[in-house]
Parts: sequence; structure tokens; C-alpha cells
Amino acid sequence: DAKTTQPTSMDCAEGRAANLPCNHSTISGNEYVYWYRQIHSQGPQYIIHGLKNNETNEMASLIITEDRKSSTLILPHATLRDTAVYYCIVRVAFGNEKLTFGTGTRLTIIP
Amino acid sequence: NAGVTQTPKFRILKIGQSMTLQCAQDMNHNYMYWYRQDPGMGLKLIYYSVGAGITDKGEVPNGYNVSRSTTEDFPLRLELAAPSQTSVYFCASSRGAGELFFGEGSRLTVL
Repeated sequence: DAKTTQPTSMDCAEGRAANLPCNHSTISGNEYVYWYRQIHSQGPQYIIHGLKNNETNEMASLIITEDRKSSTLILPHATLRDTAVYYCIVRVAFGNEKLTFGTGTRLTIIP
Repeated sequence: NAGVTQTPKFRILKIGQSMTLQCAQDMNHNYMYWYRQDPGMGLKLIYYSVGAGITDKGEVPNGYNVSRSTTEDFPLRLELAAPSQTSVYFCASSRGAGELFFGEGSRLTVL
């Protein structure tokens, strides 16, 4: 699986949109971009994933650049409960399941 | 569905003792994973399995063993516990290369 690069930490004001970037410049054509988050010391929670088109669900939006070398997770109206570590990972649909996580971005929502 | 269930939630071991962390899932997922997370760090893959009878090493397999005799269960065995194995252990499962579902974690301290 391709490696990803994320900022170590970010702050965002409550009620504003939180935009979390991820660089995956070595991504292959068959690799998906996945986002997870981990609140306190709970198990990570799936947020969203995509291949090349932008995606939206009830939790967030995922914007993938046209060359697929980077993506942005958007939390449209951040709340204090969104304070967490956010992980961006890339993985193939089939085959290599040695799925690894980086250190993620620690997002702090400021009241 | 209970999802992914890990036991025990907390355990203290003495150096040199052995124990098994249990993980069970009731979602009929074929893929299962064990991760460890040290304080303030990201998740490190220990072992994973793509189906019953099939296991493979992750990033940090030394000091651990796994087995996968059934689809539902994926126990992690620690032999000769060392202080370096003090960590939070997370089990996860997925249907193929889909989203991962994580357990609540098992917090292990080796003294």
C-alpha cells in the first residue's frame, strides 16, 4: 500500500468547516483512499472512502484531486465531538491486505 | 450484531508470563487484523488473516503468535511478555478490502 503524509496537528473553530489534507503521491490506479478517525483511546471508526470521484456521506466529504496524488477530508460543521486523530490510508481493492496506518492528524475543535 | 468483541479489556502481566487476547466477530468477515498502539503513537499492524487457516505477519510480529481456526475468531498469543509489549491492542475485521470494523481495545500492562 502507498504511504501517506498528513500534518501532525490542526485546530478548527467549532461550527466551521474542518479541512484535513492528505498527500499520497505514490498512489496506484487501483488503490482507494480511506479515512478513519480515533476518538480518545477508542477503536478507529470508518468515515469515508473513494477512488477518484468526490464522495459525500452523512459524516463528511472527500475531495480527491484529479491526479489522485492528494485528497482532503471535509467536516462541514465541526463540533467538539469531532476532536480526534484522523487517519488517511490507501489500499487496493484486492490482494495485499498488509493494511498499515500512519500517525494521522490530531484535530482539535476550539469552542 | 455485537460487531468485534475483544477480551479482556484490561490486563496486567508480569514479565515472562504468557496470555491470549481474544477477538471474535459476528459479521462473517473473512479478513481480520491485530494492531497495537503505544501511547501517543499510530497503529502498528501485528498480524492479519484473509481467511480461516491463513495468517501473515504485519509490521511488528515479533513476540506474538496468532491462529485462525474459524472465520469468527482470531486470538493473539503473547509468549514471554516483556515491558515493550505494554500497549493497547486493537482487533479489526473487514469484508474483503472494505471498511474495517474495530473492537474497543485491550489495554495490556507488563510489569
